[in-house]
Amino acid sequence: NAGVTQTPKFQVLKTGQSMTLQCAQDMNHEYMSWYRQDPGMGLRLIHYSVGAGITDQGEVPNGYNVSRSTTEDFPLRLLSAAPSQTSVYFCATYLDRGVGTEAFFGQGTRLTVV
Amino acid sequence: AQSVAQPEDQVNVAEGNPLTVKCTYSVSGNPYLFWYVQYPNRGLQFLLKYITGDNLVKGSYGFEAEFNKSQTSFHLKKPSALVSDSALYFCAVRDLGGSQGNLIFGKGTKLSVKP
Repeated sequence: NAGVTQTPKFQVLKTGQSMTLQCAQDMNHEYMSWYRQDPGMGLRLIHYSVGAGITDQGEVPNGYNVSRSTTEDFPLRLLSAAPSQTSVYFCATYLDRGVGTEAFFGQGTRLTVV
Repeated sequence: AQSVAQPEDQVNVAEGNPLTVKCTYSVSGNPYLFWYVQYPNRGLQFLLKYITGDNLVKGSYGFEAEFNKSQTSFHLKKPSALVSDSALYFCAVRDLGGSQGNLIFGKGTKLSVKP
């Protein structure tokens, strides 16, 4: 039972390159979300999914795409990386929409765009 | 809109002393509040939550938090700090509106416990 697995752990991209950050969960959780963490700004919600086939935008969605074809996977795509996307990215999962449900986080992907 | 604020960027405590990490909230409706801890180069780990009931909530690693409705606060506390408690702490509130249940996080407070 691995929980929430993010790959890669580290990545350096050149401006304009594209890449996909992977997030996989084996907990059969309905909800999945992507956050970015920047110094002094906490965690900000990028995109989220309330179930397979359903995605929506969070607070800072520009420059990112997501899809949710299965319950287990929720990849985050950067189509044309920019230095402003240098950040640590976290995937989170929730069992359901219950008010008391806590989030489970992956270990993060540290992305640098040069 | 739901939000939480952590007024202190950093809290410094001597080992063995009590610690408090502050959090205030602004919500429409009932608040559902959480505390998470992040150790260096790690993901966030759940500490405790307030949903309803007792205003004093006990969580992992000896931490507790006090919910105060009149002051709209949810401060994290520990009676005796350990050096190993040094980490980044986040307060969060459940957003039942715009983002359908996602957590909205504060900016984080760095706790430093010195021997």
